[in-house]
Amino acid sequence: AQTVTQSQPEMSVQEAETVTLSCTYDTSESNYYLFWYKQPPSRQMILVIRQEAYKQQNATENRFSVNFQKAAKSFSLKISDSQLGDTAMYFCAFTLQGGSEKLVFGKGTKLTVNP
Amino acid sequence: DSGVTQTPKHLITATGQRVTLRCSPRSGDLSVYWYQQSLDQGLQFLIQYYNGEERAKGNILERFSAQQFPDLHSELNLSSLELGDSALYFCASSVEGGRSNTEAFFGQGTRLTVV
Repeated sequence: AQTVTQSQPEMSVQEAETVTLSCTYDTSESNYYLFWYKQPPSRQMILVIRQEAYKQQNATENRFSVNFQKAAKSFSLKISDSQLGDTAMYFCAFTLQGGSEKLVFGKGTKLTVNP
Repeated sequence: DSGVTQTPKHLITATGQRVTLRCSPRSGDLSVYWYQQSLDQGLQFLIQYYNGEERAKGNILERFSAQQFPDLHSELNLSSLELGDSALYFCASSVEGGRSNTEAFFGQGTRLTVV
């Protein structure tokens, strides 16, 4: 079974600074997708960034980028120029390619951006 | 707005009761997923339907059941409710089940409180 581990229950960062959230996962499969979802106080689950396991290049979406280390089964999220609106729970998630798109989530990291 | 509509937003009910949660997927999406988010278990996949048929099952209790109707909306039925069933229940939809390059869009969830 696939598992996702987020070792940082809470983190904080000053506005405009950079923060990195950690995620490790465990799978014996070679084809899969990894995601970071954001859940603000509104409860809405919002996709932040997606990485295909077969792609070596790290995904980037504006201020959000990932460091994907397939051999180490590590998938960290870097948020640059942090903004107050980035305050939220962040969940790392995994899904196998080609099967059901059911997502396996980590426990989440609560990020607070301080003014 | 993700385009996925869940009703009701909040539900308070007593132990032993039965409730029905409803989900309307985005227009054109054939797959519907149900997830449970609780403090102790985190976000867990419950069940997936694709075009009216059950596609995948996760950690769904026997007291829980779901279905997807011809108009593609889905209902999650929870019966013999226990205090531990109190959680946020999410519905998500995607265009196709089984192609992980399609994004799953989440509704805002139904907050169920069992008293």
